[in-house]
Amino acid sequence: QKEVEQNSGPLSVPEGAIASLNCTYSDRVSQSFFWYRQYSGKSPELIMSIYSNGDKEDGRFTAQLNKASQYVSLLIRDSQPSDSATYLCAVEPRRALTFGSGTRLQVQP
Amino acid sequence: DAGVIQSPRHEVTEMGQEVTLRCKLISGHNSLFWYRQTMMRGLELLIYFNNNVPIDDSGMPEDRFSAKMPNASFSTLKIQPSEPRDSAVYFCASSLPGVGGELFFGEGSRLTVL
Repeated sequence: QKEVEQNSGPLSVPEGAIASLNCTYSDRVSQSFFWYRQYSGKSPELIMSIYSNGDKEDGRFTAQLNKASQYVSLLIRDSQPSDSATYLCAVEPRRALTFGSGTRLQVQP
Repeated sequence: DAGVIQSPRHEVTEMGQEVTLRCKLISGHNSLFWYRQTMMRGLELLIYFNNNVPIDDSGMPEDRFSAKMPNASFSTLKIQPSEPRDSAVYFCASSLPGVGGELFFGEGSRLTVL
């Protein structure tokens, strides 16, 4: 079992819709969770961090964490074509981040 | 402020050659991470340093790989001898003290071993 699992996609949504990206992790000691965005040919960049159960909102982005279910999600409201990228879920079980393989999001104009 | 700076951006070499990748951290950051990204395996942690000290090198594939951090702002990743399966994008990332999950990545070094 991989430490961090994501559906590779592509997830295709129309412009203006809500995109929902999901991630599960295996190590229960994990305390810190992150979402990174990676455009094609570029490096990952941090867009959200979440440390407590529940929701955390930042602009059009909402991260959701459920430690009991070992589940993290990212919602993108009012999706824009510029949101088209690969979204990497990352978990910090010990001392360094472990990344999922990423979900490719395509927002159709 | 300059971000994490990696060089070279692209490297094409032949099997058996030595490859050295370089990374300059953001000023004030004290943790340094080397990741490798491939289509098949995604983004994998190779090694990370905290205050110039290697903390975890369990991700280093084998003895052909070595990494050093001779000072607080600079690191190298060396592959000797290189093999075609080492072809990947190698990312260096750094973080501030106490916020290890908030990584700032360099632009990556794309390595092709023929």
